[in-house]
Amino acid sequence: KQEVTQIPAALSVPEGENLVLNCSFTDSAIYNLQWFRQDPGKGLTSLLLIQSSQREQTSGRLNASLDKSSGRSTLYIAASQPGDSATYLCAVRKDSSYKLIFGSGTRLLVRP
Amino acid sequence: GAVVSQHPSWVICKSGTSVKIECRSLDFQATTMFWYRQFPKQSLMLMATSNEGSKATYEQGVEKDKFLINHASLTLSTLTVTSAHPEDSSFYICSAIGTAKSQAFFGQGTRLTVV
Repeated sequence: KQEVTQIPAALSVPEGENLVLNCSFTDSAIYNLQWFRQDPGKGLTSLLLIQSSQREQTSGRLNASLDKSSGRSTLYIAASQPGDSATYLCAVRKDSSYKLIFGSGTRLLVRP
Repeated sequence: GAVVSQHPSWVICKSGTSVKIECRSLDFQATTMFWYRQFPKQSLMLMATSNEGSKATYEQGVEKDKFLINHASLTLSTLTVTSAHPEDSSFYICSAIGTAKSQAFFGQGTRLTVV
């Protein structure tokens, strides 16, 4: 059974700092991995999607990497801003069914 | 494009009553929709998968008679929480897959509070 873990559960950093969020999964047979942002009481915003054949994806200040063999993904946020404060979720899609298995998230606070 | 809208955004209901949550794909046809539940400070857990015109497939441990799912059209799926109890209070969120099948797009969620 696939399990997705995110570390740390919470993170507080000063504005401008570069930071890394971690996601690990137990079964390396994945279809793709996706990083989402969730603001309090809101839905999900997709940030980056990495196919199983890819090693990384970049969008603006965000870079996500994927190492299937070790069951790990990282989300790198450069030059963090207070507006980046949110919960970041990673989710693994295991097959063609489009079902996603989510981690418990990392709550990020970027202090001005 | 690829907008998924849920209604209502929040609802408070009395214990024992039923509540219906709608999930609409506004600018694409959704062949498959998913319903997730998220308890406070926990992750999203898949409840069920619904395909247009057929019965929903429920995940293990989810009561199909309590959480009624209808996917009668390519743009609308509904989740009805029947005989709601305080322990059903949660954040319910749907996602939808279009015919292009690139990825699932999520609604904004519905906060249900049962008192």
